[in-house]
Amino acid sequence: GENVEQHPSTLSVQEGDSAVIKCTYSDSASNYFPWYKQELGKRPQLIIDIRSNVGEKKDQRIAVTLNKTAKHFSLHITETQPEDSAVYFCAAKDGSYKLIFGSGTRLLVRP
Amino acid sequence: GAVVSQHPSWVICKSGTSVKIECRSLDFQATTMFWYRQFPKQSLMLMATSNEGSKATYEQGVEKDKFLINHASLTLSTLTVTSAHPEDSSFYICSAQGATEQYFGPGTRLTVT
Repeated sequence: GENVEQHPSTLSVQEGDSAVIKCTYSDSASNYFPWYKQELGKRPQLIIDIRSNVGEKKDQRIAVTLNKTAKHFSLHITETQPEDSAVYFCAAKDGSYKLIFGSGTRLLVRP
Repeated sequence: GAVVSQHPSWVICKSGTSVKIECRSLDFQATTMFWYRQFPKQSLMLMATSNEGSKATYEQGVEKDKFLINHASLTLSTLTVTSAHPEDSSFYICSAQGATEQYFGPGTRLTVT
């Protein structure tokens, strides 16, 4: 089955700097790669996603890149703000609809 | 976006008792729903896939006789934790498969004393 690895586990950046989180997946059949932001005790919130037929997608300060050959994808947050502090999860989904999550990255944006 | 609700939001029960958690898709029909478990400071672990009108598919290592899943309608799936033990204490989150993405419920925090 699918296995998703995520790093780093924690990331501390100064407000205004960029943050990058990386994930790798194992199943070449996976075709959908969402990123979620989860605040303590809350549900995961979809912040951006990318499908396997696209290499890059951007939404304001957030961007995701996908390298199908290397089986890795990354989340880029620019101009970070304190409210970006949360736990971020990547995930991968194959045609069976099952989402397999990475281990999570705790992002701290220092004011 | 689509809305998924869970009830209860939190529950405390005694060891040995059973607890039922409901997951509802409020404004769309979901033939497929998922149940996840999340321990503190850990990721979401998929427990099972719930398909309307058929038996749930459990992930490896998840006891199907302990975690009973019923998906009797296109808007409701239930998870019953039977004979709960303190190690079952966790955050249980459901999701419903929409047209293009999964929509997550707000989660249920279960504490077994």
